[in-house]
Amino acid sequence: EAQVTQNPRYLITVTGKKLTVTCSQNMNHEYMSWYRQDPGLGLRQIYYSMNVEVTDKGDVPEGYKVSRKEKRNFPLILESPSPNQTSLYFCASSFVQGGGYSNQPQHFGDGTRLSIL
Amino acid sequence: AQSVAQPEDQVNVAEGNPLTVKCTYSVSGNPYLFWYVQYPNRGLQFLLKYITGDNLVKGSYGFEAEFNKSQTSFHLKKPSALVSDSALYFCAVRDGDTGRRALTFGSGTRLQVQP
Repeated sequence: EAQVTQNPRYLITVTGKKLTVTCSQNMNHEYMSWYRQDPGLGLRQIYYSMNVEVTDKGDVPEGYKVSRKEKRNFPLILESPSPNQTSLYFCASSFVQGGGYSNQPQHFGDGTRLSIL
Repeated sequence: AQSVAQPEDQVNVAEGNPLTVKCTYSVSGNPYLFWYVQYPNRGLQFLLKYITGDNLVKGSYGFEAEFNKSQTSFHLKKPSALVSDSALYFCAVRDGDTGRRALTFGSGTRLQVQP
């Protein structure tokens, strides 16, 4: 079954304790992305990756890191989490067309709810 | 810059009646437009997209959307609403010309279909 898998689905942690949210897709997609969803703000893009070893900042990258060492995996790293990073996080993936642009729909994981105390 | 506006936080409609969820956008170049739906505790699911061609786009679950370039709108419609259509709907846009790869989402509209 084609899917995007995020782990963990829920996490409560404390300020300053490094954490990693994993994301894996089995569709051989080139493009992967992380979003955070906050009430009234919709989804805002944190980072995205067009392919292995290629990552770029989205609209709200501060306080986050990512890596893309393998095509299927795109972990989100919070080196020193703070309460304002409490949110619902989504990973997504899609194919990329030859020109580098993508009009392909994205496939989303089921989300990770992070609470940072 | 690219942006999306969904002017209604919530839309209420009776089952069997037509529904419309509004979306307007702003991009510098040609818009790539998408609608996604989110059910509770789930990720977003793709409904339909407009890239080029016919202004009326048909998608999943009987939904359709009309691209209106002069009004910069991409409203989501369905002729007859079902209770199971109750969910959170997001409109999204990407500028197809500038090379900006990020997808910008609206703030979402909650659709409530009453039996």
